[in-house]
Amino acid sequence: NAGVTQTPKFQVLKTGQSMTLQCAQDMNHEYMSWYRQDPGMGLRLIHYSVGAGITDQGEVPNGYNVSRSTTEDFPLRLLSAAPSQTSVYFCASSYSWDVSYEQYFGPGTRLTVT
Amino acid sequence: AQSVTQPDIHITVSEGASLELRCNYSYGATPYLFWYVQSPGQGLQLLLKYFSGDTLVQGIKGFEAEFKRSQSSFNLRKPSVHWSDAAEYFCAVAGSGYSTLTFGKGTMLLVSP
Repeated sequence: NAGVTQTPKFQVLKTGQSMTLQCAQDMNHEYMSWYRQDPGMGLRLIHYSVGAGITDQGEVPNGYNVSRSTTEDFPLRLLSAAPSQTSVYFCASSYSWDVSYEQYFGPGTRLTVT
Repeated sequence: AQSVTQPDIHITVSEGASLELRCNYSYGATPYLFWYVQSPGQGLQLLLKYFSGDTLVQGIKGFEAEFKRSQSSFNLRKPSVHWSDAAEYFCAVAGSGYSTLTFGKGTMLLVSP
């Protein structure tokens, strides 16, 4: 049981480039989310999904796209990277039926946009 | 919409002294509350959670937190801090539908010898 995995761990992009951050979980969790972490800002929700084929926007969705074709995977796409997207990105997942609503976090992807 | 406030950006505590980190939340319904810790360059580790029952919650590493509905608070405490506790601490509340979390901005704990 690998839990929540994220790839890559580190990435450097030039302004205008595109890329996809991968997130996968092997716990059969219905809920998956993407957060970004910036100094002094805590973690902010980008997009989330409550099941395959269902996604919704969070607090800071601009510049990011998501889709969820399977229960296991929830990739985050940057279509045209900007320096403001330099951040650490965390993926999380959870069960819909867990009465405590605990979320399980991946190890993070550190992205730098120059 | 829900929100979380952590009033202290930085706190310095002497090793062996007691610790209290403050967290205030805003949420219309019964809150589901969490404390996470993050060491430098690392991911998030769940310390403890509150979702019902006893308002004093025990967590890992000797931490506890008390839920006070009247004060909308969920403060984290530890009776004796160790140097290894130096890290950033985040309070969070489960959002509407309970599929996501809203985080506070974090409190950086420094431990002095």
